[in-house]
Amino acid sequence: QQPVQSPQAVILREGEDAVINCSSSKALYSVHWYRQKHGEAPVFLMILLKGGEQKGHEKISASFNEKKQQSSLYLTASQLSYSGTYFCGTHSLNAGGTSYGKLTFGQGTILTVHP
Amino acid sequence: DGGITQSPKYLFRKEGQNVTLSCEQNLNHDAMYWYRQDPGQGLRLIYYSQIVNDFQKGDIAEGYSVSREKKESFPLTVTSAQKNPTAFYLCASSIDGQSYLEQFFGPGTRLTVL
Repeated sequence: QQPVQSPQAVILREGEDAVINCSSSKALYSVHWYRQKHGEAPVFLMILLKGGEQKGHEKISASFNEKKQQSSLYLTASQLSYSGTYFCGTHSLNAGGTSYGKLTFGQGTILTVHP
Repeated sequence: DGGITQSPKYLFRKEGQNVTLSCEQNLNHDAMYWYRQDPGQGLRLIYYSQIVNDFQKGDIAEGYSVSREKKESFPLTVTSAQKNPTAFYLCASSIDGQSYLEQFFGPGTRLTVL
């Protein structure tokens, strides 16, 4: 089942902050965050793992609440280059209890940063 | 330079025709994926392959077929059975199928059915 992202769209001025949320109805093993510019391929930002290990991007941070099955992406002091659509992808443990398998992506959050 | 290439960038097809989208990677990745993206929508998984000569259906496999005869290649065929094939198709790869590994995406193929 597809994770739900909120808000659907955000409009900011340069230097403002934003938070994008991703909620799942399933227990999560990992959450991936990607940014996509219009007509281009998604670009990796960050992975958050069950148990707290995080790999990520230097100017963007994220949290992962395993109990609530939620992740949030924090964009601070936004820049014009942050504009794009942000997707979370979630990964649940499969029936065998291993972590192989597929990512399920949310519908995306459109972020627009104005000068 | 290592990366993923998809061809063609734009593809037009008449109704009733099959068409094959190319995806090649030189990253030495074991796992490869095909996603479909419709306007204003997220990415939906069509097929994925974790190793050569093996692949699994994703969430929307009907009307599509794939093969994985070589590690670096994962072509997608959109068949005439796919009722609404006009979309942006993205290919991705990762080192293997583990969930903690990032996926690298190709530039995409925009398919339009006339």
